[in-house]
Amino acid sequence: QSALTQPPSASGSPGQSVIISCTGTSSDVGGYNYVSWYQQHPGKAPKLMIYEVSKRPSGVPDRFSGSKSGNTASLTVSGLQAEDEADYYCSSYAGSNNPCVFGTGTKVTVL
Amino acid sequence: QVQLQESGPGLVKPSQTLSLTCTVSGGSISNSNYYWNWIRQPAGKGLEWIGRVYTSGSTNYNPSLRSRVTISLDTSKNQFSLDLNSVTAADTAVYYCARGRWPDYWGQGTLVTVSS
Repeated sequence: QSALTQPPSASGSPGQSVIISCTGTSSDVGGYNYVSWYQQHPGKAPKLMIYEVSKRPSGVPDRFSGSKSGNTASLTVSGLQAEDEADYYCSSYAGSNNPCVFGTGTKVTVL
Repeated sequence: QVQLQESGPGLVKPSQTLSLTCTVSGGSISNSNYYWNWIRQPAGKGLEWIGRVYTSGSTNYNPSLRSRVTISLDTSKNQFSLDLNSVTAADTAVYYCARGRWPDYWGQGTLVTVSS
């Protein structure tokens, strides 16, 4: 099972939006509505931002939203803020034999 | 507030077994229907899911690591553990324990270096 494909980097100015893609196959992203997104600041543990494609855990700002089309999921960060600068990882369920596959990660820079 | 804390040796010799424990506080590991995960991250690289154990004791493992991994629960100590055998330098990473199908609570991570 290969890692899900994410762009290595993305950037935007404060207040702008950035969209991060996460491309898999019909065996993972495309086959289930079980995509989640994590934010990781340097030296810190990842933080869950989105689960089940588009649901936000309590406490996550509504500037963060998720969606999916076919084999590609997306995370949109609207109204970029300095504290959004971090690495972002997607993950997907890929069947009972491989319940969790992570993406390659995207570094978001706030210009 | 649930908290998780990893513990174990920071240095393991090649070919030996890496053993880590995750201590859970703020909730009972046996009275909750959660998955308890191990995830690792080599320096400067991405996340890799290692495996998980359910409250019932059933397990799932990353197919690429399955032959070397064992994850188990110790409900009496409110802990779960990871054993990874036959380690090489490629197993050097920060190891995280985390709760949930979509992990929402994570430990701070512990660096394990495989070196002679």
